[in-house]
Amino acid sequence: GAVVSQHPSWVICKSGTSVKIECRSLDFQATTMFWYRQFPKQSLMLMATSNEGSKATYEQGVEKDKFLINHASLTLSTLTVTSAHPEDSSFYICSALPSGQGFNYGYTFGSGTRLTVV
Amino acid sequence: EDQVTQSPEALRLQEGESSSLNCSYTVSGLRGLFWYRQDPGKGPEFLFTLYSAGEEKEKERLKATLTKKESFLHITAPKPEDSATYLCAVQGGSIAKTSGSRLTFGEGTQLTVNP
Repeated sequence: GAVVSQHPSWVICKSGTSVKIECRSLDFQATTMFWYRQFPKQSLMLMATSNEGSKATYEQGVEKDKFLINHASLTLSTLTVTSAHPEDSSFYICSALPSGQGFNYGYTFGSGTRLTVV
Repeated sequence: EDQVTQSPEALRLQEGESSSLNCSYTVSGLRGLFWYRQDPGKGPEFLFTLYSAGEEKEKERLKATLTKKESFLHITAPKPEDSATYLCAVQGGSIAKTSGSRLTFGEGTQLTVNP
């Protein structure tokens, strides 16, 4: 089945530094990938839609200069949290829809990245 | 705007005690309703996709059903390993192509099955 690999699974960084999270589709090509943020005991909030070879589409209220998304190939999207602050601490998850399969196997999600900013 | 409401927020069951989780939705042009299971500290794991009212799908102890306004996830004779948060999401088809691929998630139901 379709697998999305997300790395790292957890990261601790100092306030003011930047952190990059990678999302790779291992056995399929993904023209579009999605980045979500999840706070404890809350549901997934879509942050942005990442399109291969073009600019990402950000949801209302998400700062595009703070959350940089790059989708340079059909199998890799990256999310960089720039100048991280403690309020950016959260669980970040990516997902992708394998092309050509419709929705029968759903969107595949990565295992998530726990970001803690100290 | 698509909306998804799940109930209850939390559910505790004894092993073997069957029950149902509810997902009420409003969407312009339903393209798919998805059920996911999420374990703590993990990404969501796909369970089912339902496309139209009247459709049902089963997987082991789980059965998902769909009407025009809501979906149910029935859990028959649950086991402790079924403990997780169950998420419902919809994809509508009324907006632009790119944003039309987005999912709208409910808040989830946290299920605990006690042995």
